[in-house]
Amino acid sequence: KNQVEQSPQSLIILEGKNCTLQCNYTVSPFSNLRWYKQDTGRGPVSLTIMTFSENTKSNGRYTATLDADTKQSSLHITASQLSDSASYICVVIGGGGNKLTFGTGTQLKVEL
Amino acid sequence: NAGVTQTPKFQVLKTGQSMTLQCAQDMNHNSMYWYRQDPGMGLRLIYYSASEGTTDKGEVPNGYNVSRLNKREFSLRLESAAPSQTSVYFCASSPNRGYTEAFFGQGTRLTVV
Repeated sequence: KNQVEQSPQSLIILEGKNCTLQCNYTVSPFSNLRWYKQDTGRGPVSLTIMTFSENTKSNGRYTATLDADTKQSSLHITASQLSDSASYICVVIGGGGNKLTFGTGTQLKVEL
Repeated sequence: NAGVTQTPKFQVLKTGQSMTLQCAQDMNHNSMYWYRQDPGMGLRLIYYSASEGTTDKGEVPNGYNVSRLNKREFSLRLESAAPSQTSVYFCASSPNRGYTEAFFGQGTRLTVV
């Protein structure tokens, strides 16, 4: 069964600190992996997309990594800001028919 | 830049009532999707439309119907609402199905009492 598991489920950090969110998946065949940010009461917004051949991709203070061999991805947030408080969702595309399989998300709260 | 627009944003229904959730996109995308988001679960695909004139079932289609009215609009209908359909519903669109990025609407929070 195609699954995407994220950890931790929730995280609280102080403003200015770094954090890393994890995503493990069993989706096969693999096409690509995306990280989305979902603010409370809003729809998800794409942060990065990783293809099979990409190991690292950055988008400002967000850096995503992908290890296709171990089927793991991480999202590293540098110098966190209050506006980073949101749910971060890992989405894997593949599994035949290019289906999107969503993780349950990591709820991040950045505090002063 | 409107992107994907959903209406309404909030709705309360009584069990057995019907309603239609509206979705429109202005990005000339071929593919459109309806998802539901429940606490502790990832977004689940209800129905999708790979292109104008086609619709297909997703992971959780029971109790729902859809209409791809034209390239811009994709509606989701609940014929007889049940409490189990209490959820947040998201419409999304993408240029084509799969690799290309999906853009999401703001969501509709539906409560069935």
